[in-house]
Amino acid sequence: DQQVKQNSPSLSVQEGRISILNCDYTNSMFDYFLWYKKYPAEGPTFLISISSIKDKNEDGRFTVFLNKSAKHLSLHIVPSQPGDSAVYFCAASRIYGGSQGNLIFGKGTKLSVKP
Amino acid sequence: GAGVSQSPRYKVAKRGQDVALRCDPISGHVSLFWYQQALGQGPEFLTYFQNEAQLDKSGLPSDRFFAERPEGSVSTLKIQRTQQEDSAVYLCASSPSRERPNEQYFGPGTRLTVT
Repeated sequence: DQQVKQNSPSLSVQEGRISILNCDYTNSMFDYFLWYKKYPAEGPTFLISISSIKDKNEDGRFTVFLNKSAKHLSLHIVPSQPGDSAVYFCAASRIYGGSQGNLIFGKGTKLSVKP
Repeated sequence: GAGVSQSPRYKVAKRGQDVALRCDPISGHVSLFWYQQALGQGPEFLTYFQNEAQLDKSGLPSDRFFAERPEGSVSTLKIQRTQQEDSAVYLCASSPSRERPNEQYFGPGTRLTVT
């Protein structure tokens, strides 16, 4: 039973537009969420994270929004660039009260940004 | 500086063979994680080390899987009597502190194919 779900396997966006990647989770004990980006034949690269005490975190073109009541988070990329084309993984963790920090990943969403 | 490195990058093993996969974490990183990524899936947690201590091995799928980090730096994941279902990419990640174990830096992975 998947605790972190990315229901869209793929997303295609025009260059310059906004990309919105979505993620849902089921375990209310998760208190830290991350997005990773992965190119073929490389390991995932940390992109941005958010603690459960916040509802938004911004870093340049990347913003993550967290809706705890809906157990939903999203990654916004604006403006999207062709170099953003990759697989994006949502991950969740518990850093307070238990876990050592191992990450629970979704299956990923493949983003294609067309010039 | 140097990132996380893994070797070999690709490994083909015949069913029943033993394999050893190596991870060199970023120098000074306290935490080290192993993940298994099957085709079309997100990475799944296998085991966690804090320095040389293996604090969590709950994700290891069977007793054929064994991991060690004897000096708190390099780690080896060993799989005995490989089976076809062991075919996957094995990812190693390290993190600089126990306080922020979630911000993990991944290596490129070892793709294991069991024939």
